[in-house]
Amino acid sequence: GENVEQHPSTLSVQEGDSAVIKCTYSDSASNYFPWYKQELGKGPQLIIDIRSNVGEKKDQRIAVTLNKTAKHFSLHITETQPEDSAVYFCAATPGGSYIPTFGRGTSLIVHP
Amino acid sequence: EAGVVQSPRYKIIEKKQPVAFWCNPISGHNTLYWYLQNLGQGPELLIRYENEEAVDDSQLPKDRFSAERLKGVDSTLKIQPAELGDSAVYLCASSSGGRNTEAFFGQGTRLTVV
Repeated sequence: GENVEQHPSTLSVQEGDSAVIKCTYSDSASNYFPWYKQELGKGPQLIIDIRSNVGEKKDQRIAVTLNKTAKHFSLHITETQPEDSAVYFCAATPGGSYIPTFGRGTSLIVHP
Repeated sequence: EAGVVQSPRYKIIEKKQPVAFWCNPISGHNTLYWYLQNLGQGPELLIRYENEEAVDDSQLPKDRFSAERLKGVDSTLKIQPAELGDSAVYLCASSSGGRNTEAFFGQGTRLTVV
């Protein structure tokens, strides 16, 4: 089955800095890569996703890049704000599957 | 539009007791998921429903866990008997169906078994 590794487990930045979270996956057939943000006491919420036919996708301050050859993808948050503080999960969905495999999460802390 | 609603939010029970969680998905969503989230980890799938049919239930510990989705809408997840290791957050999610469609998560039920 799919295996997703996520790094770092904790990321602390100053407000206004950029934050980068990296993930690798094992199944070359994976073709859908969502990113979720989970705030304390809430369920995960999709913030951006990318499909295997695209190398990069951007939505305001967040962007995701995908390198299919190396089987890794990354989340980039620019101009971080305190409200960006949360746990972020990457996931990979094997082709033909309905079920994403999640990474272990990254706790992002943005200091004012 | 209301999101995925789960109840209760918190539950504390003694080991060997039964417990049940309830989920009301987003209206019109045919696909419903139950996930287990241990502290410091990502969600792990327990079971997926397509309408009222259970599919992808290979990760559900069937000796003590059961689930149902009557009429293809609301769903319940039951544990009987609960064990200490079952303490976790149980998340319900729903989607409109099809591969690679966004899953919307509820707030989860935090279960503590003492």
